[in-house]
Amino acid sequence: SQQGEEDPQALSIQEGENATMNCSYKTSINNLQWYRQNSGRGLVHLILIRSNEREKHSGRLRVTLDTSKKSSSLLITASRAADTASYFCATADSYGNNRLAFGKGNQVVVIP
Amino acid sequence: EAQVTQNPRYLITVTGKKLTVTCSQNMNHEYMSWYRQDPGLGLRQIYYSMNVEVTDKGDVPEGYKVSRKEKRNFPLILESPSPNQTSLYFCASTPGTAGPLHFGNGTRLTVT
Repeated sequence: SQQGEEDPQALSIQEGENATMNCSYKTSINNLQWYRQNSGRGLVHLILIRSNEREKHSGRLRVTLDTSKKSSSLLITASRAADTASYFCATADSYGNNRLAFGKGNQVVVIP
Repeated sequence: EAQVTQNPRYLITVTGKKLTVTCSQNMNHEYMSWYRQDPGLGLRQIYYSMNVEVTDKGDVPEGYKVSRKEKRNFPLILESPSPNQTSLYFCASTPGTAGPLHFGNGTRLTVT
């Protein structure tokens, strides 16, 4: 199955700065989703962007999708210490079987 | 409260001793799935179920079994656990059609 690949793998920033992560994938998708995981806990869904959408916002989160480049970015604005977590992108293929393929994750540390 | 409940949270067992990890959701979701998470490998899908009595293999099904006799429950069975099944396991559910996944809090399994 296809997999999202996040970039960079690890990111360390100061509180108040913006954090940007990228995700690339390989095949045709129905949608792309971003999740957050705090220290070994269950993943929490952040935002879903469909293949016919280019940008989506949710609070301090902004996601873009470029299907021609098969890539997505997640921007967290005005980061807080509580944003420290691992962030995963996941792609739902366009075959309708509901399978999500996850990337390996991106560790973000926000320094107070 | 809408949730996915996994039990147990931690499990230490020995090679070959059959075990079951339970998963239950109270959201009437049709789709349920099991993932394992290993350092450097991200989340990999073990099995998924699109509805009652319908299950299918994910990317890493070897050594695992599942059943879906009722909509809310989706247990993961390890008939003869081996040390390479030491991992962090997550159950997840979604209403359908590649929607956002709701994750349980995980089961950390150690097989010695």
